[in-house]
Amino acid sequence: QVQLQESGPGLVKPSETLSLTCTVSGGSISSYYWSWIRQPAGKGLEWIGRIYSSGSTNYNPSLKSRVTMSVDTSKNQFSLKLNSVTAADTAVYFCARVEYYSGWYPVDYWGQGTLVTVSS
Amino acid sequence: DIQMTQSPSSLSASVGDRVTITCRASQSISSYLNWYQQKPGKAPKLLIYAASSLQSGVPSRFSGSGSGTDFTLTITSLQPEDFATYYCQQSYSTLGSFGQGTKVEIK
Repeated sequence: QVQLQESGPGLVKPSETLSLTCTVSGGSISSYYWSWIRQPAGKGLEWIGRIYSSGSTNYNPSLKSRVTMSVDTSKNQFSLKLNSVTAADTAVYFCARVEYYSGWYPVDYWGQGTLVTVSS
Repeated sequence: DIQMTQSPSSLSASVGDRVTITCRASQSISSYLNWYQQKPGKAPKLLIYAASSLQSGVPSRFSGSGSGTDFTLTITSLQPEDFATYYCQQSYSTLGSFGQGTKVEIK
């Protein structure tokens, strides 16, 4: 059973960089798409981006200028960096896997989510 | 960008009721439509993919239908554990957008 676990600071100061890591267990990170999705309190789900195990990325255009995703296959981890954060970036951040072998690309595994608050 | 619109935004229902949630795409997405269930404080859970395929382990009272732009999630005989928020998501485009969610509450 694949499991994902987010880790990183829960509090980030405005204008600084939010950094999160997702550790994948129970399966290989290779040959899958891995994603970050966020959810402000009481609101809906927003894609941040996805990364393939080879390192190729797709970012949400609205966040592209501030986002960097990376993958470390040796550690079965992938990471998110979001710079110049503001209060609007306060949200629960989920890491997730996009399943593509079926050809339909659903998000089939999710981490539990981690709350990141942007505040001084 | 493809916009996904769910209706209703919320509904009240009783245990045993049949519940239907609709999702409309702003353009044709073939059958690239997924449904998720999210309970408070938890991650979303995949219920249906490819518009009508039941994810492994999901009870058969959940079903999905539709293609093109109009889709439906149906829960036959609503159970206490089904009270949650449901999201549709299109996977036709990269980083496929989510609907705004439908909250199913206890009547």
